[in-house]
Amino acid sequence: AQSVTQLDSHVSVSEGTPVLLRCNYSSSYSPSLFWYVQHPNKGLQLLLKYTSAATLVKGINGFEAEFKKSETSFHLTKPSAHMSDAAEYFCVVSETSGTYKYIFGTGTRLKVLA
Amino acid sequence: KAGVTQTPRYLIKTRGQQVTLSCSPISGHRSVSWYQQTPGQGLQFLFEYFSETQRNKGNFPGRFSGRQFSNSRSEMNVSTLELGDSALYLCASSLGGLADTDTQYFGPGTRLTVL
Repeated sequence: AQSVTQLDSHVSVSEGTPVLLRCNYSSSYSPSLFWYVQHPNKGLQLLLKYTSAATLVKGINGFEAEFKKSETSFHLTKPSAHMSDAAEYFCVVSETSGTYKYIFGTGTRLKVLA
Repeated sequence: KAGVTQTPRYLIKTRGQQVTLSCSPISGHRSVSWYQQTPGQGLQFLFEYFSETQRNKGNFPGRFSGRQFSNSRSEMNVSTLELGDSALYLCASSLGGLADTDTQYFGPGTRLTVL
């Protein structure tokens, strides 16, 4: 069965410092992995997607994530945080086997300090 | 291309009533999925419709139902509302749907408050 664990419910960084949001997944098959961002009172916006091509995936707004099969991880990073990055981030796993579902992590709320 | 639209954006209902939410997918997308988001349970999958057929279903009671029309627009209905149904209901559309692990694009959501 597939599952996803976001290791931190809250992360605080100072503006201009690196961002690291951690995600571990469990999947019986080759999964697709996604990161979404949700700003307050808004829907979810796709940041990036991994589907078994390059293991380093570049997304929008300077975010990137690296797929590490040996560690079953898909951590999201950004070299320099901006105030507008403050939001909730969701890691998602999906696989094409059995019942098809999009499984969301519990979310990481990112706070950016001035 | 216009994004996913959901109407209404906000709803206030009382216990026992029923409610219908609407979702218009991105043009050309045939799959529409519905999710419930609450602070306690996070994002939970309700169901997916593809070409007017329910293809996947989450673990929600039968009070939650949906349908999809020939133009891919979808509606979700919740009958006999309970306080616990207060949530943000998100709709997402994609080309091929969950079966293809296709990217889902989300609408802004409908905030339902049950009093």
